[in-house]
Amino acid sequence: SQQGEEDPQALSIQEGENATMNCSYKTSINNLQWYRQNSGRGLVHLILIRSNEREKHSGRLRVTLDTSKKSSSLLITASRAADTASYFCATGPGGRGSTLGRLYFGRGTQLTVWP
Amino acid sequence: DGGITQSPKYLFRKEGQNVTLSCEQNLNHDAMYWYRQDPGQGLRLIYYSQIVNDFQKGDIAEGYSVSREKKESFPLTVTSAQKNPTAFYLCASSTAGWRPGNNEQFFGPGTRLTVL
Repeated sequence: SQQGEEDPQALSIQEGENATMNCSYKTSINNLQWYRQNSGRGLVHLILIRSNEREKHSGRLRVTLDTSKKSSSLLITASRAADTASYFCATGPGGRGSTLGRLYFGRGTQLTVWP
Repeated sequence: DGGITQSPKYLFRKEGQNVTLSCEQNLNHDAMYWYRQDPGQGLRLIYYSQIVNDFQKGDIAEGYSVSREKKESFPLTVTSAQKNPTAFYLCASSTAGWRPGNNEQFFGPGTRLTVL
């Protein structure tokens, strides 16, 4: 399968703590993206990191990518109750013959932030 | 407002009936996608279209059909051949088309289909 796999499946923390979610994948990629989904809603794009980048920041989000280990992590600093959602990683495949444009989504990490 | 819309939000269908889910975007995106999401699961790709009048099967296309007659619209029909159609259906679009790179996808709010 080309899907990413997030770890942990569920994460429960207090407001103000940092939340770290990990994603592992199996094939070569062009980019890796993180999305957020509130319950019963569509996904919202958070951040994209290209295969030649190692780290990227956006507000309270920090994403790292290690292509040698085929893994990525998403760090949310100073979590808030409003950060409660499911977080998905998605890989944009690279390599010859890959279908351009499509993404492969993992099963997600359910983050709960308690007030 | 630019965005991607799906209708209806909730849909109930009797077994044996076909039903069509609407997806419209005014983002001028070339590529559009349909995903299925089951409880506690990730997104599985049903069909995608990288350009008008062209579409490809995704990973779980059996029992579904699509058309892409206009750039803005990518309707999905769930046919009676789909054995377990109850799920949350998400439509997305992106600028990627035939090019790799910045293929961030923009999602609609979803349609929850329940088969009675």
